[in-house]
Amino acid sequence: SQQGEEDPQALSIQEGENATMNCSYKTSINNLQWYRQNSGRGLVHLILIRSNEREKHSGRLRVTLDTSKKSSSLLITASRAADTASYFCATDLGAQKLVFGQGTRLTINP
Amino acid sequence: DTEVTQTPKHLVMGMTNKKSLKCEQHMGHRAMYWYKQKAKKPPELMFVYSYEKLSINESVPSRFSPECPNSSLLNLHLHALQPEDSALYLCASSQGTGDRPYTFGSGTRLTVV
Repeated sequence: SQQGEEDPQALSIQEGENATMNCSYKTSINNLQWYRQNSGRGLVHLILIRSNEREKHSGRLRVTLDTSKKSSSLLITASRAADTASYFCATDLGAQKLVFGQGTRLTINP
Repeated sequence: DTEVTQTPKHLVMGMTNKKSLKCEQHMGHRAMYWYKQKAKKPPELMFVYSYEKLSINESVPSRFSPECPNSSLLNLHLHALQPEDSALYLCASSQGTGDRPYTFGSGTRLTVV
């Protein structure tokens, strides 16, 4: 069963704008991870945030985690055409169980 | 080597065929995973191997049979599949302990005819 809900399901923006995706989950987690998937191929790990962390940065990516609200957000700044992809949050429930949210399809228009 | 390699990339099989998907990693990861992904859906966990032992089977039908011959290899044996089993099958690996990311292969696109 899937425990993550992502919002929005689809997002279309102009190149150079910022993109924000949100993820909500239901149970306690060890960490939350964000992945990118291009054209239905393999997933690429973007960033991992531990349950005791509130914010993390990596290049143009900023992730926040609010464990009291069981939610996370991914911000991509200064978007590029190459950022067009599907983005998934994934919650690490422990015991090697990583469960994915429904995903956000991001389109960057030139 | 920081990759997970999956073969074949594409597979078309009949409902009476037997085939196998293969996955290999040389990162020293001790946990390996099979996920199934339907179009426009998230990946769904099927099996987890930890230290070469099956630790999680997410109630997957017996027509899917996983095998972990050693710490670097993971197979998924397929038999008597149904058209609804057509999907992208993703293999992944991780350290298996601590807060560590997973490394995914590029997947096998399976079509059952």
